[in-house]
Amino acid sequence: ETGVTQSPTHLIKTRGQQVTLRCSSQSGHNTVSWYQQALGQGPQFIFQYYREEENGRGNFPPRFSGLQFPNYSSELNVNALELDDSALYLCASSPRGVGELFFGEGSRLTVL
Amino acid sequence: GEDVEQSLFLSVREGDSSVINCTYTDSSSTYLYWYKQEPGAGLQLLTYIFSNMDMKQDQRLTVLLNKKDKHLSLRIADTQTGDSAIYFCAERTDSWGKLQFGAGTQVVVTP
Repeated sequence: ETGVTQSPTHLIKTRGQQVTLRCSSQSGHNTVSWYQQALGQGPQFIFQYYREEENGRGNFPPRFSGLQFPNYSSELNVNALELDDSALYLCASSPRGVGELFFGEGSRLTVL
Repeated sequence: GEDVEQSLFLSVREGDSSVINCTYTDSSSTYLYWYKQEPGAGLQLLTYIFSNMDMKQDQRLTVLLNKKDKHLSLRIADTQTGDSAIYFCAERTDSWGKLQFGAGTQVVVTP
């Protein structure tokens, strides 16, 4: 519906492993941002990308990293997974400077 | 979401109006948003308002913004059972994509 697609939808990892989550932004949207939503909480901003450059970061450690590709799709990588990384990871896309900001359905990560 | 506050729970009867309230702290907010989240799903953009507006109406939804008090509200007219969900208020302070969310208001619609 929104045109923002994320994969995988669910995944299970163990502590210490690494994970890559993917996001395809809505057509024409050149800004992508990532959020972490722990159970029962509001989403927390991780970082955002514009034209393949990171231009804003929230209070997350360096083991959270990302990429944006020329087609504006994006990846979120998390190294050395911890139990507290278990959450719903949401990707959002928008055209820069415009109000609409649409989210995908998220990737639910469980760390055991 | 410490800078954006919402009440945690609202119960409303089907057919009544719902009003969800939110307060924010950053006076430089450019846009303010309301999102809906159903169980196990992502965030659905319901509506948003530019900071130089006082009101926005979109079908059953009415957003009111009081910049002086940094207060935002969402009114849902003729509330239906399908409106049961968690509603998030969020503020945007840049021209990119960084939003500050509240903790969400759980709305339960009873027959």
